[in-house]
Amino acid sequence: DQQVKQNSPSLSVQEGRISILNCDYTNSMFDYFLWYKKYPAEGPTFLISISSIKDKNEDGRFTVFLNKSAKHLSLHIVPSQPGDSAVYFCAARPSGAGNMLTFGGGTRLMVKP
Amino acid sequence: EAGVAQSPRYKIIEKRQSVAFWCNPISGHATLYWYQQILGQGPKLLIQFQNNGVVDDSQLPKDRFSAERLKGVDSTLKIQPAKLEDSAVYLCASSLGKGAYYGYTFGSGTRLTVV
Repeated sequence: DQQVKQNSPSLSVQEGRISILNCDYTNSMFDYFLWYKKYPAEGPTFLISISSIKDKNEDGRFTVFLNKSAKHLSLHIVPSQPGDSAVYFCAARPSGAGNMLTFGGGTRLMVKP
Repeated sequence: EAGVAQSPRYKIIEKRQSVAFWCNPISGHATLYWYQQILGQGPKLLIQFQNNGVVDDSQLPKDRFSAERLKGVDSTLKIQPAKLEDSAVYLCASSLGKGAYYGYTFGSGTRLTVV
């Protein structure tokens, strides 16, 4: 039972354009959502997060949008850069779960120069 | 600040053999996590420690996997005996606390191949 799903295994975008990565979840108890970025042979690194009481959080070129009614969140990267090429994981935390995260399967983003 | 250290980086073993992974978290981080990441999938939590006590091990296959965190610092994860489906990257992460959200810091992982 996958509670967090990233339905696009890969995405290819031209440098300078917008990258949109999507994530869907099924558990209504999730109250905090995060995006992690992973380069080959490295551990995932935290990118940006959003609380369930908000619908948008922005940090530089990265913006996360949350649609609670649709149980959907997305990560926008504008403008995309070749260094953004990596695997992006969406993760969610249930309220009262003691900080345990459930991860999606990841989306591989390729930004072409 | 030093990151989360893991060793070894790579390990190849035959099925039914045993293997152990080691993790040294960031100094002062009370909470430590072990995740299993199978190729093409997201990380899956195996066990969470708060200091040297287990917070959650509901997804740890206890018939073959064991983990400990002596003295609330370093941790080891053991698999005995290993199966082919245990081939994965084993990620260790640590955070300051377990209550309100605290950011995780992941180590680079140990890639296990069972043949």
